[in-house]
Amino acid sequence: EDQVTQSPEALRLQEGESSSLNCSYTVSGLRGLFWYRQDPGKGPEFLFTLYSAGEEKEKERLKATLTKKESFLHITAPKPEDSATYLCAVLNYGGSQGNLIFGKGTKLSVKP
Amino acid sequence: GAVVSQHPSRVICKSGTSVKIECRSLDFQATTMFWYRQFPKQSLMLMATSNEGSKATYEQGVEKDKFLINHASLTLSTLTVTSAHPEDSSFYICSAATRDKIREKLFFGSGTQLSVL
Repeated sequence: EDQVTQSPEALRLQEGESSSLNCSYTVSGLRGLFWYRQDPGKGPEFLFTLYSAGEEKEKERLKATLTKKESFLHITAPKPEDSATYLCAVLNYGGSQGNLIFGKGTKLSVKP
Repeated sequence: GAVVSQHPSRVICKSGTSVKIECRSLDFQATTMFWYRQFPKQSLMLMATSNEGSKATYEQGVEKDKFLINHASLTLSTLTVTSAHPEDSSFYICSAATRDKIREKLFFGSGTQLSVL
């Protein structure tokens, strides 16, 4: 069964304290791995798509990496405005575009 | 980036009433729209896939007579929760895909928090 597990469930950081979020997945055939940011009471906001092991993408303080079993979202020198829930999702070869398999997310809190 | 507008953002209704949620793609034509629900601290779960001009495809366990989906145009899909009950209280989110970018990403609406009293 295709599955996405994110850890930790919650993460508290001080401003400037770099860290990483983990997304472990098992999927029959990976078409893509997606990272989203979700603010309370809002829909997910797209961050990155990764397609193959070894791929990396960066956006401001965020960097996403992908291996055959997991993905990491590295946050460098976070700021309070980075506080949000970060969702990971995978799309398999058998699934339609909308049938992403989501993890439960990691709730990040960055304190000033 | 593309914008998907969803409203209302929050609705409170009495048990037994029906509630309609709208999802619009503002600057692109969405041939396919998707409806999800999300419970607190849980994953987004796909409820149904909506294709313009055809019947929606529902995921296993989702009652199509309870959650009516209409995708009458390339920019609008609606979800109607009929005869709502307290257990239908949840966060409902729509998303839209474009034909050119369908492999890249979805664009999500801002969600609707439904509370059934």
